[in-house]
Amino acid sequence: QVTFRESGPALVKPTQTLTLTCTFSGFSLTTNPMCVSWIRQPPGKALEWLALINWDDDKYYSTSLKTRLTISKDASKNQVVLTMANMDPVDTATYYCGRMLHRGQWELVDYWGQGTLVTVSS
Amino acid sequence: QSVLTQPPSASGTPGQRVTIPCSGSSSNIGGNYVYWYKQVPGTAPKHLIYKNNQRPSGVPDRFSASKSGTSASLAISGLRSEDEADYYCATWDDSLSGAVFGGGTKLTVL
Repeated sequence: QVTFRESGPALVKPTQTLTLTCTFSGFSLTTNPMCVSWIRQPPGKALEWLALINWDDDKYYSTSLKTRLTISKDASKNQVVLTMANMDPVDTATYYCGRMLHRGQWELVDYWGQGTLVTVSS
Repeated sequence: QSVLTQPPSASGTPGQRVTIPCSGSSSNIGGNYVYWYKQVPGTAPKHLIYKNNQRPSGVPDRFSASKSGTSASLAISGLRSEDEADYYCATWDDSLSGAVFGGGTKLTVL
């Protein structure tokens, strides 16, 4: 059974760096074709893909946010970490992580975490 | 502005069939699998359709989807009150080298 759990601060101040941890179970991120993505959703708005890391440590970022994002993994702990620098109130959102696969074609998220709400406010 | 275009709202009465379109381009829908997600407000998205038209186990066959060229659509037949939710299409974009989502369609069951 594949599960995900996001964790991190519920409140960050503007200009701070956000660090979120995604802890998963039920598969190994050392195995082709496994990938983990981060997706966010501002209140009342649409889903927005942020970043992905694959089993081979390849990383992909949203073009609009790539200068602020860093994704990394600790496969031995079954964790993926996302950092987002220079947080702004518009970054207030629920942040989700989930599994993707890349088997020739990209296969989008099949399992999602429950999400963690991050509020950016002074 | 989302890369994939969906109508912001759709509605139908119980028992009706509704269709939600999703429009993209050759760099996304035109060359990649389309996925559909259902999200009840306050909860995480749920996997509804994968690889253009496949249903995960547990998803009723009232839900179907298709893809043609650079567009896709989700159809829900025999509409039920529990189908009221937000629906998102998604795919990979080769030009952006990232996943892209539609803006979401809020389905109301009248």
